[in-house]
Amino acid sequence: GENVEQHPSTLSVQEGDSAVIKCTYSDSASNYFPWYKQELGKRPQLIIDIRSNVGEKKDQRIAVTLNKTAKHFSLHITETQPEDSAVYFCAARGYSGGSNYKLTFGKGTLLTVNP
Amino acid sequence: DSGVTQTPKHLITATGQRVTLRCSPRSGDLSVYWYQQSLDQGLQFLIHYYNGEERAKGNILERFSAQQFPDLHSELNLSSLELGDSALYFCASSTFDRGEGQYFGPGTRLTVT
Repeated sequence: GENVEQHPSTLSVQEGDSAVIKCTYSDSASNYFPWYKQELGKRPQLIIDIRSNVGEKKDQRIAVTLNKTAKHFSLHITETQPEDSAVYFCAARGYSGGSNYKLTFGKGTLLTVNP
Repeated sequence: DSGVTQTPKHLITATGQRVTLRCSPRSGDLSVYWYQQSLDQGLQFLIHYYNGEERAKGNILERFSAQQFPDLHSELNLSSLELGDSALYFCASSTFDRGEGQYFGPGTRLTVT
């Protein structure tokens, strides 16, 4: 089955700096890659996603890049703010038999933005 | 607020017992997914239902079962509970059945004592 590795497990940056979180996946058939933000005690929130036919996608201060050949994708947050502090999860959608799908999540990255 | 609701918010029960967790998807969503989140295992996919039909299974134990009702709400049943079942249980919903655009509910924190 699909295996998703996420690095780093913790990341500390100064307010205004950029943050990059990287993920690799194992199943070359995976074709959808969402990113979730989870604040302490809250639900995971979908913040951005990318499909395998696209190399990059941006939404204001966040962007995701995908390298299908290398089977890795990354989340980039620019001009970080204290409210960006949270755990970020990457995920890859693989197949679970037939035309059924499932998301496999990375272990998460705790991002701390210091004022 | 994602529009997905889950009840109860907290549940404390003893080993060997059985509990039922409930999830109502966003209006218009036909898919419901269940996940277990623990510190050591992270977010683990359990099971997916689409319009009342089971579509995909993940790392779901035989002691666990789920169903989706005609009104599209879903229930996750956990039986013969063990200490290791203590975790946060999330459901998520999406419009279609391809696993894209999943929106999570607030979760149910289960504590087994």
